[in-house]
Amino acid sequence: DGGITQSPKYLFRKEGQNVTLSCEQNLNHDAMYWYRQDPGQGLRLIYYSQIVNDFQKGDIAEGYSVSREKKESFPLTVTSAQKNPTAFYLCASSTLGLTDTQYFGPGTRLTVL
Amino acid sequence: GENVEQHPSTLSVQEGDSAVIKCTYSDSASNYFPWYKQELGKGPQLIIDIRSNVGEKKDQRIAVTLNKTAKHFSLHITETQPEDSAVYFCAALGASGSARQLTFGSGTQLTVLP
Repeated sequence: DGGITQSPKYLFRKEGQNVTLSCEQNLNHDAMYWYRQDPGQGLRLIYYSQIVNDFQKGDIAEGYSVSREKKESFPLTVTSAQKNPTAFYLCASSTLGLTDTQYFGPGTRLTVL
Repeated sequence: GENVEQHPSTLSVQEGDSAVIKCTYSDSASNYFPWYKQELGKGPQLIIDIRSNVGEKKDQRIAVTLNKTAKHFSLHITETQPEDSAVYFCAALGASGSARQLTFGSGTQLTVLP
C-alpha cells in the first residue's frame, strides 16, 4: 500500500447521513484520486486533484464532494444525495511526471444500513 | 473518452501453466498501460506497466505486450503459482487535455488450481 493510508477500513452509515472517508499520503505526490469499486466491476473515478485547493470531477461525481487543503490529504464526503453509496472506496496518488503511476491505498468499505 | 475492454472475466489454470489476459482500448492517444493485482479486500497493487514507445516488457514471470496498431495489450504470467490467484485489472492513461485519467478494465478473476 506504499505510504497511502485510508480510514476507517469499514464504515456503516444510516440513510440520510453524510460520511467522510480519510485519505493521507506521505509520498510527496502532487495528484490524488478517489475511485469507487462495485462487486465484479472495475474502478470508476469519482474526483481527482492535481494541486492543493483544486480538484476536478471524474465520471461519477454526483453525490460526492472533496477538498484538498493540504498536499498529503484528500478526504471524500459521501453525501445523502448519493443514491447507492454502498461500495468499496479506493484512494490513490501519483506524481505528475511522465510515469503517472498511481499507487493505491487499502480501501474503505462503506455500507449503508 | 477512453474505453477499455478486458477478457476473460474469469480464468482458471493449473499450477505451472501460463495465463494470458487481454485488453483493448479505444483512444489512440493513450500512452501508458499499467496492470494491477488486487487481492480480496485490499487495494490494487501495480505489478507491471508499459509505455507506448515499447512493444514488450518482462519482469521475471510476468510480461506485458502492446500492439499500438491494433490498440490492444496483454498480460502474460508464466509458471503460475497459487499465490497468483487474484483479480487483475488493466488500465489505459489518456494523453490529451484533462485526460490524465486511468480508465480501467472490468477485471479478470484468476484462479490457479494446485
